[in-house]
Amino acid sequence: EVQLVESGGGSVQPGRSLRLSCAASGFTFDDFAMHWVRQVPGEGLEWVSGISWNSGNIDYADSVKGRFTISRDNANNSLYLQMNSLRPEDTAFYYCVKDMDDFGDYRFDYWGQGTLVTVSS
Amino acid sequence: DVQMTQSPSSVSASVGDRVTITCRASQDIRGWLAWYQQKPGKAPKLLIYAASTLQSGVPSRFSGSGSGTDFTLIISSLQPEDFATYYCQQANSFPPLFGPGTKVDIK
Repeated sequence: EVQLVESGGGSVQPGRSLRLSCAASGFTFDDFAMHWVRQVPGEGLEWVSGISWNSGNIDYADSVKGRFTISRDNANNSLYLQMNSLRPEDTAFYYCVKDMDDFGDYRFDYWGQGTLVTVSS
Repeated sequence: DVQMTQSPSSVSASVGDRVTITCRASQDIRGWLAWYQQKPGKAPKLLIYAASTLQSGVPSRFSGSGSGTDFTLIISSLQPEDFATYYCQQANSFPPLFGPGTKVDIK
């Protein structure tokens, strides 16, 4: 059974940093691209960032480019999102998401339960 | 960027009803469209990809069709567990944008 378990969310002041983690199990982690997708409570879904199986291809949404960094550790079946210079508009649930492809073709077949990030003074 | 729209934004329906949700892309995305179901407090779940391919384990009352710019999700006979919000998402080009969602609630 595929499991994606996010951690690291919490409440932080604007301008500060936070690092999200995602522990993956139930599939061969280094065979697939991975993504982070976020959702403001009560609103729609926004893709944030994606990383290919070997970290050779990395993309970011314009809204987070230059502030967020995605990375992965295939040896430990883990995905990360380093979030710097956080803004109130980054407040959202952050989902760890598995791609159906190794390089990433944006077909999201499994999602974690999400971790809430709140940015407020 | 390819923009996605959905209609209706919400629909009230009864158990057993046939429900149709449409999704439109601002430019040709061929068949690169997915549909997700999200229940309150839960993560989204993939229902359909490549416009019409049912994800493993998804009931056959769900079906998808379309190509190019116009797509449809049909629930042939609504069940109590189907009351949720449904999102379409284009996977043809960067960035992978989602539609605004269609909420299906109980009439």
